Amino acid sequence: DGGITQSPKYLFRKEGQNVTLSCEQNLNHDAMYWYRQDPGQGLRLIYYSQIVNDFQKGDIAEGYSVSREKKESFPLTVTSAQKNPTAFYLCASSTQISDPNTEAFFGQGTRLTVV
Amino acid sequence: ELKVEQNPLFLSMQEGKNYTIYCNYSTTSDRLYWYRQDPGKSLESLFVLLSNGAVKQEGRLMASLDTKARLSTLHITAAVHDLSATYFCAVVNAGGTSYGKLTFGQGTILTVHP
Repeated sequence: DGGITQSPKYLFRKEGQNVTLSCEQNLNHDAMYWYRQDPGQGLRLIYYSQIVNDFQKGDIAEGYSVSREKKESFPLTVTSAQKNPTAFYLCASSTQISDPNTEAFFGQGTRLTVV
Repeated sequence: ELKVEQNPLFLSMQEGKNYTIYCNYSTTSDRLYWYRQDPGKSLESLFVLLSNGAVKQEGRLMASLDTKARLSTLHITAAVHDLSATYFCAVVNAGGTSYGKLTFGQGTILTVHP
């Protein structure tokens, strides 16, 4: 089945630790995105990538890092510099927006909690 | 910078009634998505609107796009309890330094009462 897989579903981080959230897609999509959602809030863009080996900062990139070494993978690292990382993290992928049938799909999310 | 604004942010409806959610955006785009989110869950794609005048319908939901007015609407017909959820619109930057950036509205929390 084609889709987007995020892992783990739940993640607990100690103060001062870096953690990496996984996002893998087998839809052959060029573009991938990471969003953060706080309780009762909308989605805020952290990073996005339109093509392998290239990515751009979104609206709240501070304290986060990404890589895009493979088309199907876009891992997000939450660094110790992110002071309030507890949130629901969502990964999405899409075809290029120039594609006349473009559509963006989401993974099931990772719920990160600082303990 | 692309801004996307939804209204209303909260919508309480009676079953059987009709209502419309509005999504305004600030820069030129002809790529707009509508999503549904249930509590604690991820986003489910509802509609993709890819050109001016596009209209799509699925069950009791109908979405439209007016690129000249930079406005999309999500119309709910004869609401039922199962439609209770949060609805988001999202717009893609079609040019400039933020090409491909997908920006979301704040979301509309819909509650349908008997």
